[in-house]
Amino acid sequence: GIQVEQSPPDLILQEGANSTLRCNFSDSVNNLQWFHQNPWGQLINLFYIPSGTKQNGRLSATTVATERYSLLYISSSQTTDSGVYFCAGTPAGGKLIFGQGTELSVKP
Amino acid sequence: EAQVTQNPRYLITVTGKKLTVTCSQNMNHEYMSWYRQDPGLGLRQIYYSMNVEVTDKGDVPEGYKVSRKEKRNFPLILESPSPNQTSLYFCASSSSLTEQYFGPGTRLTVT
Repeated sequence: GIQVEQSPPDLILQEGANSTLRCNFSDSVNNLQWFHQNPWGQLINLFYIPSGTKQNGRLSATTVATERYSLLYISSSQTTDSGVYFCAGTPAGGKLIFGQGTELSVKP
Repeated sequence: EAQVTQNPRYLITVTGKKLTVTCSQNMNHEYMSWYRQDPGLGLRQIYYSMNVEVTDKGDVPEGYKVSRKEKRNFPLILESPSPNQTSLYFCASSSSLTEQYFGPGTRLTVT
């Protein structure tokens, strides 16, 4: 089946730093999404980004569907950004497949 | 406000005592699904439903049942819970398998 690889698996940042999280797919996917799982366990939709670039405040995402990867940029990180970031996508006709996540810790 | 709700949010129960976790969405979505999340195993799909009265197994359906009698509701039933079903459960919905929206999660502990 399709493989989803996220990197890095763990990341520690000082507040105010910028970071880039990457998601690679072994095959083509549709409906690529980024989620943030906060320390209370809730999964928050960040971006629905099958292709192209989107921005929402300090966060932005870029998906290059032809090369099967997506990037999530976090600028001026805050402690509230801590948690686990997941990317997920659907292969043709299939169910949503999640990566293993990047665990981010932002220190004050 | 568009949302997916789940109840209960937290549940501690004993082995063998039947339970139901409810899921409801107010976005008129056709597609709904259930996932469980376990450390080291990520999110795995339990069951999904493409529309009313249409359900199918996901990756880990054993020990679970679902029903879809109304478009907005998709309850997850554990007829005889066991400790290996202790997990964090999520319900999700989407329109035509596009962007999926997740509920707040249900933490289940089976002793």
